[in-house]
Amino acid sequence: AQSVTQLDSQVPVFEEAPVELRCNYSSSVSVYLFWYVQYPNQGLQLLLKYLSGSTLVKGINGFEAEFNKSQTSFHLRKPSVHISDTAEYFCAVSARSNDYKLSFGAGTTVTVRA
Amino acid sequence: NAGVTQTPKFQVLKTGQSMTLQCAQDMNHNSMYWYRQDPGMGLRLIYYSASEGTTDKGEVPNGYNVSRLNKREFSLRLESAAPSQTSVYFCASSETGTGAFANYGYTFGSGTRLTVV
Repeated sequence: AQSVTQLDSQVPVFEEAPVELRCNYSSSVSVYLFWYVQYPNQGLQLLLKYLSGSTLVKGINGFEAEFNKSQTSFHLRKPSVHISDTAEYFCAVSARSNDYKLSFGAGTTVTVRA
Repeated sequence: NAGVTQTPKFQVLKTGQSMTLQCAQDMNHNSMYWYRQDPGMGLRLIYYSASEGTTDKGEVPNGYNVSRLNKREFSLRLESAAPSQTSVYFCASSETGTGAFANYGYTFGSGTRLTVV
């Protein structure tokens, strides 16, 4: 079975500063990796996904993530955040061996301050 | 362009009451899921349906039942609500399989906030 660890529960950051959200996964098989964002009182929205190919994945709203197989990591980055990026971010993993069911991390709350 | 629709958006139940959370998707997806979201725990899978006519338990199925009524609809029932079931419930759907359709991620509904008192 797969599992996900998000290493930071809360990340405060100033507007226009860079941000990195850390995600590590454990799995004995090939995996697919995802980042979702949840704005206050809303559902989850897909930011980006890694299925195969290039290890650097670009998503919506200027976010990108890098898949590192040797370190079993999939960290999310944005070079310059906006107030509107205040949200909770979830890393998730799935695999064919588990019928592609998503397993989520506990989430990282990003608070952007002016 | 509705995606995944959940009803109701909010609900307060008394301990022991029953209710059904409704979910419908209009994307012709094969798979549907019910998750619960609790602070500091992320989303945990309650039940899922890989295809019409099949349902399976997820990580936290106790106290819940589901029905895959047809390809569009997947309902979650609480037979006798308990305070521990106070949570935000999300329904999701996905296209699964191999090759070009292999797991493009889930589409989520906007959630049902349930309080059991």
